[in-house]
Amino acid sequence: GQQLNQSPQSMFIQEGEDVSMNCTSSSIFNTWLWYKQDPGEGPVLLIALYKAGELTSNGRLTAQFGITRKDSFLNISASIPSDVGIYFCAGQASGNTPLVFGKGTRLSVIA
Amino acid sequence: EPEVTQTPSHQVTQMGQEVILRCVPISNHLYFYWYRQILGQKVEFLVSFYNNEISEKSEIFDDQFSVERPDGSNFTLKIRSTKLEDSAMYFCASSLGGGEYYGYTFGSGTRLTVV
Repeated sequence: GQQLNQSPQSMFIQEGEDVSMNCTSSSIFNTWLWYKQDPGEGPVLLIALYKAGELTSNGRLTAQFGITRKDSFLNISASIPSDVGIYFCAGQASGNTPLVFGKGTRLSVIA
Repeated sequence: EPEVTQTPSHQVTQMGQEVILRCVPISNHLYFYWYRQILGQKVEFLVSFYNNEISEKSEIFDDQFSVERPDGSNFTLKIRSTKLEDSAMYFCASSLGGGEYYGYTFGSGTRLTVV
């Protein structure tokens, strides 16, 4: 089946640093999504990308939809302690097909 | 902001018992989903439901699983005879649906522990 390879698996950074994580796939997705999950909670949508090459920002977060439709990255600038959590990429092939999730990047921010 | 509500938040059950996990999707959403997340692993698709029938299901969603929308507001996931490996967080989600991605909203999940 379709799989997303997300890296890195985990990151420890100092408060104020920028963070970058990415997702790649062997197959094409027409929608890329980035979610954050806090402990004991469901995934919360951060950014949705619908067009190849699209670069979208949401506050300190910036994400890009790769031109090949097989990859995406998420950047977080000037990290703060509340950025701690697990970040998941997810892809959707078309219409209402199920989301396919990456394995997540666990982010720890050291104050 | 509209929410997807799941109950219970935690459920402990004995192996072999039946469990029903409940969800109240966002009221004007048309597509409903169940996903699960085994501890420390990625979120995995189980089933999608539209127009009172299953529209897609994964290989995880075997004969032990069923879904139902018993009334206009609830969406349930039943596991007939639970196994140890069913222990996971189960997330319900809903979306407006359609040809473009309208956005999934996930609930906070039910943590199921099978002992």
